[in-house]
Amino acid sequence: QMQLVESGGGVVQPGMSLRLSCATSDNYIIHWVRDVPGKGLEWVAAISSDGHSKYYADSVKDRFTISRDNSKNTVYLQMSSLRAEDEAVYYCARGVYSSGRCDVFDMWGQGTMVSVSS
Amino acid sequence: DIQMTQSPSTLSASVGDRVTITCRASQSINNWLAWYQQKPGKAPKLLIYKASSLESGVPSRFSGSGSGTEFTLTISSLQPDDFAAYYCQHYDRYSPAFGQGTNLEIK
Repeated sequence: QMQLVESGGGVVQPGMSLRLSCATSDNYIIHWVRDVPGKGLEWVAAISSDGHSKYYADSVKDRFTISRDNSKNTVYLQMSSLRAEDEAVYYCARGVYSSGRCDVFDMWGQGTMVSVSS
Repeated sequence: DIQMTQSPSTLSASVGDRVTITCRASQSINNWLAWYQQKPGKAPKLLIYKASSLESGVPSRFSGSGSGTEFTLTISSLQPDDFAAYYCQHYDRYSPAFGQGTNLEIK
């Protein structure tokens, strides 16, 4: 059964790190999208099915790292130097119907909350 | 980066109404546009991709149109389950971006 399950969210202080996990049922193209309170949806990062191609939003580049372990069917989002503006519900989503350069998200996890507060 | 702008931000309507939400891109995205529905506390649900293709299982009262920089999502006859937030998203290239959302509320 196709599904995505996130874990790893929690409360952290500004400047700290956190690692999110996304357990998948197959080696899909995976994106991370966050739902920022009062602002809406923001795309964060993406990784190809083989892990060789990675993409980041400017707002998280050099602070977040996406990776995957296909032997465990798991995608990770390592978040460092966290800021108040990173506070959000983080979803992993499957990328499909590619334009040849990017994707639509047809399957989503349930989300995991990241709170950044001193 | 390509910016997406939705209008209106809030839309009040009644069951049975026909409603239209507009999404504009800051530059041409051909027809690489998707629409999502999101209910409070839930993940978004894909409704439309490639501007006008209906995702499997989505009711036919939902339709999309447009190309280039201007797109619309139409709900032909609102049902009680349709009151939610709606987002457009371009996927022409990285970085993909969402519109700011439209809250569809009961009048």
